Amino acid sequence: AQSVSQHNHHVILSEAASLELGCNYSYGGTVNLFWYVQYPGQHLQLLLKYFSGDPLVKGIKGFEAEFIKSKFSFNLRKPSVQWSDTAEYFCAVSRFSGGYNKLIFGAGTRLAVHP
Amino acid sequence: GAGVSQTPSNKVTEKGKYVELRCDPISGHTALYWYRQSLGQGPEFLIYFQGTGAADDSGLPNDRFFAVRPEGSVSTLKIQRTERGDSAVYLCASSLMLSSGSNTGELFFGEGSRLTVL
Repeated sequence: AQSVSQHNHHVILSEAASLELGCNYSYGGTVNLFWYVQYPGQHLQLLLKYFSGDPLVKGIKGFEAEFIKSKFSFNLRKPSVQWSDTAEYFCAVSRFSGGYNKLIFGAGTRLAVHP
Repeated sequence: GAGVSQTPSNKVTEKGKYVELRCDPISGHTALYWYRQSLGQGPEFLIYFQGTGAADDSGLPNDRFFAVRPEGSVSTLKIQRTERGDSAVYLCASSLMLSSGSNTGELFFGEGSRLTVL
């Protein structure tokens, strides 16, 4: 079965620090990869996604992620975090099957950015 | 409204009771998903609807859980004989199917219904 591992459960950074959140998945076939973010008190929303093509994907708010197929990884990065990036971040993987998108989520990483 | 709407936002019930959770997806989204998120974990897939039919219910934990979408829009997740272990946030998401039959890939989530079983 597919699974997603997020190695960091809690991350604390100061503003302007660089961020990298790890994500590894177990499925060996063709996958689609996502990062979702949940800001305090808000719903989950898409940060970025990878389907095919350039393995370096850019998302909203200056985030990017790199798909490394040989490492089964899709790590999220941001060069300089802001206090407003405080949120919980979820990596997810899916295979399109039957035209739909069954996401398997990791356990999430809670990021706290201090001013 | 513009987003996925879920009601109630909070539900407290007693063990053994019956509960219904409602989801109103984004207008025009034919794909609808239910997920469950327990404390400290990521969302866990429960069921997927394409139109009125449940195309994949492999994530429903047992036969106490059931979901319907009779008119292809609003969906109701039904939990019978609730147990304390059912306590979680139940998330609904919808997505747009393209004319090609493929999915855009983005799921739009509601804010969830927090269920507490005492």
